[in-house]
Amino acid sequence: EAGVAQSPRYKIIEKRQSVAFWCNPISGHATLYWYQQILGQGPKLLIQFQNNGVVDDSQLPKDRFSAERLKGVDSTLKIQPAKLEDSAVYLCASSLAGRTSTDTQYFGPGTRLTVL
Amino acid sequence: GENVEQHPSTLSVQEGDSAVIKCTYSDSASNYFPWYKQELGKGPQLIIDIRSNVGEKKDQRIAVTLNKTAKHFSLHITETQPEDSAVYFCAATPLQFYFGTGTSLTVIP
Repeated sequence: EAGVAQSPRYKIIEKRQSVAFWCNPISGHATLYWYQQILGQGPKLLIQFQNNGVVDDSQLPKDRFSAERLKGVDSTLKIQPAKLEDSAVYLCASSLAGRTSTDTQYFGPGTRLTVL
Repeated sequence: GENVEQHPSTLSVQEGDSAVIKCTYSDSASNYFPWYKQELGKGPQLIIDIRSNVGEKKDQRIAVTLNKTAKHFSLHITETQPEDSAVYFCAATPLQFYFGTGTSLTVIP
């Protein structure tokens, strides 16, 4: 079974530029998550989708971050404009159902973003 | 929201020794406690998990214990091997995953 795919793996941009990340979850997984992992810290949830609907985006900085999951499969996370403090690894995860908090989440390899 | 604290932040052990990592949480509604292993350049991988109706779970050299009264849970790795070297994260879930700050484990051959 293929795992969670993410691209690109690395991205370097200057502050105030825009960037987009792509995620393809495990086939059949209804729930998709985007996490931000700052160096030396644990992942922090940014947004959770159930199929193509948003379940939780309370920690997403909506003035600069946006995410979508059209057709309930792939997802993109966008930052516009980027700030220095956005430098982090952006992790995508998926779970089979996600209706409860106890579903196992499977993580992709992440995209390492450096903002100069 | 939930607050998860994880200790120690770094841990070095000799190959063959045991390693113990401890986490505490604040929200009594948390009912699922997974442990993830993250190797350099990779995403976190689930290694073991425990639910609130169980006090202990074991999978070969890895075990997790949970004390709901005291709101803490621990990861135990026995007979450590160099390939166990990685960063380990605990998490607690009332409604979403709240991760600890990670423990960098080094197993010295």
